Amino acid sequence: TQLLEQSPQFLSIQEGENLTVYCNSSSVFSSLQWYRQEPGEGPVLLVTVVTGGEVKKLKRLTFQFGDARKDSSLHITAAQPGDTGLYLCAGEWEYGNKLVFGAGTILRVKS
Amino acid sequence: GAGVSQSPRYKVTKRGQDVALRCDPISGHVSLYWYRQALGQGPEFLTYFNYEAQQDKSGLPNDRFSAERPEGSISTLTIQRTEQRDSAMYRCASSRPLAGRVRNEQFFGPGTRLTVL
Repeated sequence: TQLLEQSPQFLSIQEGENLTVYCNSSSVFSSLQWYRQEPGEGPVLLVTVVTGGEVKKLKRLTFQFGDARKDSSLHITAAQPGDTGLYLCAGEWEYGNKLVFGAGTILRVKS
Repeated sequence: GAGVSQSPRYKVTKRGQDVALRCDPISGHVSLYWYRQALGQGPEFLTYFNYEAQQDKSGLPNDRFSAERPEGSISTLTIQRTEQRDSAMYRCASSRPLAGRVRNEQFFGPGTRLTVL
């Protein structure tokens, strides 16, 4: 059983389109992180959200943490081929505990 | 460099042999994690350390897998009597530049691709 459910599992879109990736759980997290992984590389941290309802923006990427701190979303505006990769959400229950990773969303942006 | 390093990057071994995978974390990082990752999937937790103490090894698949971090820096993941099903990408990550740092933001190494023939 996956503690963090990510959807969709795979997304193939055209350059310029918008998309949203979802990360859902029945558990409450003290923080939630989003990572991006390119082929042949390790995951790289994009952002950490901590407060329920928090919204963070990173250029064309918008991250939101649910009010109850059980879910999160990543929205990409005007996707570009360079956005292609595996997007991972990871939740932290409490300080000192391990991260729980979702299964990931594979994004392919075609030019 | 200043990042997490792992060695070897690729390891091919025969079934039944033992292998040792090494992780050199970012200097000063308190926590060190080992994961296994299938292609196109999220990392699967194996074990983690705070300093030299192994905090959680619940993700280790069986007793052929073990890990140590004797001086609180470099860590070794050892797989004894390897089997074909052990073939995977093994990743290491480190976090917490300070013991009091709250957020567990992880920095990943490039991984070791293990192939068991």
